[in-house]
Amino acid sequence: AQTVTQSQPEMSVQEAETVTLSCTYDTSESDYYLFWYKQPPSRQMILVIRQEAYKQQNATENRFSVNFQKAAKSFSLKISDSQLGDAAMYFCAYREDSNYQLIWGAGTKLIIKP
Amino acid sequence: GAVVSQHPSRVICKSGTSVKIECRSLDFQATTMFWYRQFPKQSLMLMATSNEGSKATYEQGVEKDKFLINHASLTLSTLTVTSAHPEDSSFYICSASTHNQPQHFGDGTRLSIL
Repeated sequence: AQTVTQSQPEMSVQEAETVTLSCTYDTSESDYYLFWYKQPPSRQMILVIRQEAYKQQNATENRFSVNFQKAAKSFSLKISDSQLGDAAMYFCAYREDSNYQLIWGAGTKLIIKP
Repeated sequence: GAVVSQHPSRVICKSGTSVKIECRSLDFQATTMFWYRQFPKQSLMLMATSNEGSKATYEQGVEKDKFLINHASLTLSTLTVTSAHPEDSSFYICSASTHNQPQHFGDGTRLSIL
């Protein structure tokens, strides 16, 4: 069965600095999707970034980028120029190509220090 | 972007009451909707997967007679917590997905049973 592991329960970073959140996963599939979702205190789930496994190029969305290492089954999220509004729980998620169901990591709480 | 509306956002009711939560995709037709439960400081726990016009698929340990799911159209799914008790108090969140699009989430419902 597929699993997603986030080994950092909590991370903190100084405002304007860069932080990297780690995520590893286990699967025997070759086609799948990976996601990072953000959940601020309001508890909305907000899609941050998405990566298709067949794409070698790392996805980027403004200050957010990923380091996707398919062979190592690693999918880390880098947040550049951290802002106070980035403070939230961040969840890594995996989905097979043929199944819409998401497999979730346990989450990482990101604290931004002013 | 895709918008999912979830109502109500907050419910407080007496033990024994049945509570209905609605999840609507406002600007797209959702092939599949998901219902999650989230305990404090934890990840999302999938309760059931709902496809339009067919019976929901419940995860192991989720009582289908307790948590009734109806997915009558491509834009609406409902979760009814029947005869709710204090142990059913939680945060419930729905999501909607179509084809190869990411899951888009409602804002969640905070349910408190007195």
